[in-house]
Amino acid sequence: EVQLVESGGGLVQPGGSLKLSCAASGFGFSGSVVHWVRQASGKGLEWVGRIRSKVNNHATEYDASLKGRFTISRDDSKNTAYLQMNSLKVEDTAMYYCTRLDDGTWGQGTLVTVSS
Amino acid sequence: DTVMTQSPLSLPVTPGEPASIFCRSSQSLLHSNGYTYLDWYLQKPGQSPQLLIYFGSNRASGVPDRFSGSGSGTHFTLKISRVEAEDVGVYYCMQALQTPITFGQGTRLDIK
Repeated sequence: EVQLVESGGGLVQPGGSLKLSCAASGFGFSGSVVHWVRQASGKGLEWVGRIRSKVNNHATEYDASLKGRFTISRDDSKNTAYLQMNSLKVEDTAMYYCTRLDDGTWGQGTLVTVSS
Repeated sequence: DTVMTQSPLSLPVTPGEPASIFCRSSQSLLHSNGYTYLDWYLQKPGQSPQLLIYFGSNRASGVPDRFSGSGSGTHFTLKISRVEAEDVGVYYCMQALQTPITFGQGTRLDIK
């Protein structure tokens, strides 16, 4: 079964950091592009960024509004992608999903709450 | 950035009746390879989004044939031939032609 499972969410203070993980199974992870998408409570879907496969040098792209605070990485030996979030703001509070948009596979999401 | 605009934003439908959702993009979503990079998603209450339609008109695996996608360039339509109770949720169009990937605001379908 093709599956993506996010973890690492939680409560963090403004200005803090958090690293999310996305564990993949059931498909050739190393050849896949992995995206992160977030959704604030009651709001729409917002693309965060993506990381390409090794053949494309693990190139990353991000939404410009994040202004360098977020970094996506991957460890193909562990079939896992990561989202490192720094200088977190209250407005970063959201459910964070990892997804293979190419085939519509999404994880169940992990909730990040930024609050003092 | 490519702006995706959906209408209507709210859609009450009687079971068994048809429904249509419209999506307009600020730029053409036709790639030089001939594919149109427009997908439709449904997010049911409390769930992750699920892919319904990809490349504008191709139903994803397991999607009932009452769902169909059409359109080209900058104007797209998702049609449900006969709405069922399980179709309740928020529908999103999404363009994947260029980054940043962008979504429509969402259309909330509920049952009358």
